[in-house]
Amino acid sequence: NAGVTQTPKFQVLKTGQSMTLQCAQDMNHNSMYWYRQDPGMGLRLIYYSASEGTTDKGEVPNGYNVSRLNKREFSLRLESAAPSQTSVYFCASIWTSGGVGELFFGEGSRLTVL
Amino acid sequence: QKEVEQDPGPLSVPEGAIVSLNCTYSNSAFQYFMWYRQYSRKGPELLMYTYSSGNKEDGRFTAQVDKSSKYISLFIRDSQPSDSATYLCAMNSGGYQKVTFGTGTKLQVIP
Repeated sequence: NAGVTQTPKFQVLKTGQSMTLQCAQDMNHNSMYWYRQDPGMGLRLIYYSASEGTTDKGEVPNGYNVSRLNKREFSLRLESAAPSQTSVYFCASIWTSGGVGELFFGEGSRLTVL
Repeated sequence: QKEVEQDPGPLSVPEGAIVSLNCTYSNSAFQYFMWYRQYSRKGPELLMYTYSSGNKEDGRFTAQVDKSSKYISLFIRDSQPSDSATYLCAMNSGGYQKVTFGTGTKLQVIP
């Protein structure tokens, strides 16, 4: 049972380069999320997808785009990377029951922009 | 001002100590309160959740919520080296609503 799988785990980019972070979940969850985690800032929501075919901006969407390819997959694209986007990126999907939503996270993608 | 405030630590305690981790928040709409544990170079995992005010116990862990004071706590009894991790508080108004996280407190339990 893989849960949430992210690729790549590590990436180094130069300023201005583009890349896509891939995320897939095998738990049949409807909603998926992209967070970034920075020292002293905690987890901040970039984009989320409440269901297949929909995406919405989170707290820090600037410089990113997303695609909800199907129910399983939710990708995050950096069109022109900047040093401020150096961070650890986490994909998550959510399971809800009785009002409580449990986020299941991937292991993270560590991105450095030089 | 952040919606959720959490002391980043680090917090270092001897094995067997009682640990108290805390968060304060400002959004009165929050009803579900969660604690996530994150080991180094791993994604966060849900440890406990509580709904509204009150206490919830699970083994060595107790979560407390005081909505009147907008204050939540996580207590760890008989702390173990394996408890060494970063603990993040999180909260939302329910279901698929956006989950807001604290910055996390790094805990080290020394054998």
